[in-house]
Amino acid sequence: DIVMTQSPESLAVSLGERATINCKSSQSVLYSSSNKNYLAWYQQKPGQPPKLLIYWASTRYSGIPDRFSGSGSGTDFALTISSLQAEDVAVYYCHQYYSTPPTFGQGTKVEIK
Amino acid sequence: QVQLQESGPGLVKPSETLSVTCVVSGYSISSGYYWGWIRQTPGKGLEWIGTVYHSGSTYYNPSLKSRVTISVDTSQNQFSLKLTSVTAADTAVFYCARVNSLAYYSYMDVWGKGTTVTVSS
Repeated sequence: DIVMTQSPESLAVSLGERATINCKSSQSVLYSSSNKNYLAWYQQKPGQPPKLLIYWASTRYSGIPDRFSGSGSGTDFALTISSLQAEDVAVYYCHQYYSTPPTFGQGTKVEIK
Repeated sequence: QVQLQESGPGLVKPSETLSVTCVVSGYSISSGYYWGWIRQTPGKGLEWIGTVYHSGSTYYNPSLKSRVTISVDTSQNQFSLKLTSVTAADTAVFYCARVNSLAYYSYMDVWGKGTTVTVSS
């Protein structure tokens, strides 16, 4: 199984500041023939299910604000919130769907400083 | 608007079978996509359990395969999960989700709210 490791476990950022979450996969999730990274990001607020933010490592899902962006390739990825809003307080997960079984990172908790 | 809603027993005794159902509204399961089950525990985080296609084809996580059965009922627009021989380690929030049609292990774009199942005597 591909192991997904996120860092940091938690971070506190001031409102309006940038937050960056990292995700590293134990093997590449870049499919060479399509040049696509099989990686997604989800946001989970307390008491709610995960919500898809990003897929193909950098494609925002429908309705997701453009302050959320994904980057990276191969084994190293990042989710950036360019200007943290109060409603962004949540746990964020990365997810690889390059190979089965699909696996998730352990989560990064984002809080307001 | 696609919505998924899980229903489950809440409490299951050890060694018994856990059954959870997901009713889909706003989209016909027969129209496409895969439909999956994911569970979340404090200890192991998010774990993919398995996926079903409207044809009835199923795909399971090898770690759970011996105990899992997923089925689909297109006439009721729902799909179900059965997990046998449960232990306390199976206590979790169970989510159903729509899986992108790329592959049965692809990203999940719509999730149910989840149902908590506790295994305890």
